Amino acid sequence: QVQLVESGGGVVQPGGALRLSCAASGFTFSSYGMHWVRQAPGRGLEWVAFIRDDGSYKNSADSVKGRFTISRDNSENTLYLQMTSLRLEDTAMYYCAKSSEAAVAGHFEYWGQGTLVTVSS
Amino acid sequence: EIVLTQSPATLSLSPGERATLSCRTSQSVGNYLAWYQRKPGQAPRLLIYQAFNRATGIPARFSGSGSGTDFTLTISSLEPEDFAVYYCQQRSNWPITFGQGTRLEIK
Repeated sequence: QVQLVESGGGVVQPGGALRLSCAASGFTFSSYGMHWVRQAPGRGLEWVAFIRDDGSYKNSADSVKGRFTISRDNSENTLYLQMTSLRLEDTAMYYCAKSSEAAVAGHFEYWGQGTLVTVSS
Repeated sequence: EIVLTQSPATLSLSPGERATLSCRTSQSVGNYLAWYQRKPGQAPRLLIYQAFNRATGIPARFSGSGSGTDFTLTISSLEPEDFAVYYCQQRSNWPITFGQGTRLEIK
């Protein structure tokens, strides 16, 4: 069965950096696009970033553009989110999600359990 | 950015009743609309994709309809496990956007 396990969350000061990982199993990782989605406390879901199957196309929300970088290692079946210049408003639970498609956004077929990022001074 | 507006914000119903949740988009998304269920402490779960297709393992009491800018998620007869928050999401245009959610609570 599909499993997505996020890690790397924690407490970081404003302006700091963090790298999230998502270990995937149960499907052919290199054949699907992947997303990061977050949910801040008391707020709704917010799409963060997408990367296509081979990593050649990426897109991200304006709120994180220039600060967050999505990447993947298909040899390790792992998705990453490098977060820099973190702000208080980046505090959220971060989820990785498998797209239904390889090269376009698709819908979010499967989700991990999330990893919590807290930005606090 | 396409804005998704869900209504009502909260829906109070009893088990066995029919639930009708609405999602309206600020511009046409064709049928590129999905619905997710979110329970506390759990990851979101895909219910419906491309407006009316049930995801794998989703019970037949869940159904989706609509196209263009107006969409509906219907739960024909509520089970106790259905009380949760429901989100719609569009993937027609970047950025991908979600509605603000409808909380389905037990009356």
